[in-house]
Amino acid sequence: EPEVTQTPSHQVTQMGQEVILRCVPISNHLYFYWYRQILGQKVEFLVSFYNNEISEKSEIFDDQFSVERPDGSNFTLKIRSTKLEDSAMYFCASSERQEQFFGPGTRLTVL
Amino acid sequence: LAKTTQPISMDSYEGQEVNITCSHNNIATNDYITWYQQFPSQGPRFIIQGYKTKVTNEVASLFIPADRKSSTLSLPRVSLSDTAVYYCLVGDRETGRRALTFGSGTRLQVQP
Repeated sequence: EPEVTQTPSHQVTQMGQEVILRCVPISNHLYFYWYRQILGQKVEFLVSFYNNEISEKSEIFDDQFSVERPDGSNFTLKIRSTKLEDSAMYFCASSERQEQFFGPGTRLTVL
Repeated sequence: LAKTTQPISMDSYEGQEVNITCSHNNIATNDYITWYQQFPSQGPRFIIQGYKTKVTNEVASLFIPADRKSSTLSLPRVSLSDTAVYYCLVGDRETGRRALTFGSGTRLQVQP
């Protein structure tokens, strides 16, 4: 069964450093998403991407964040200058129509 | 988006049927009800979706009364592996094409 994959599974970084989280969506899907979940809290939407551009973004997705689909398979989330409060689980998701398929997540720890 | 209300937590034992009810008083005519499941340290997973009456798949059943102001997710004969958080979402049918708004969900703990 096709699945969304994410790398790395765990990333530790120093405050102020840039991080890139990588995702490989399911190959025939057209819609891509990033969500995050701070420990013990709700899953929060960050950004959606369709037809090579951002289609929707939340208030969390400020100028420190960017997304890219550099080739036909990868979908990346970049955080330019990490803050302590960016520590969270980041989930990538992709979809075709009815349901979103989530990846296993990247746990980001900012020290 | 219609606001949803569901219990914060539920406890059950293996082999029992579990029913989780979600209230959505302001559901719109075109809205569907969708349930996602999230295991610890994993991303959410789509379980089931319905519009009215009853929907059943290999994982669960979804009961929706005629007024559609609530819905009940039914898990038959739960096992320890059903311990997870269950989210009720209300919105258009093609949830894959829009941002999902997750609430706090219902934390189901299944005991041996």
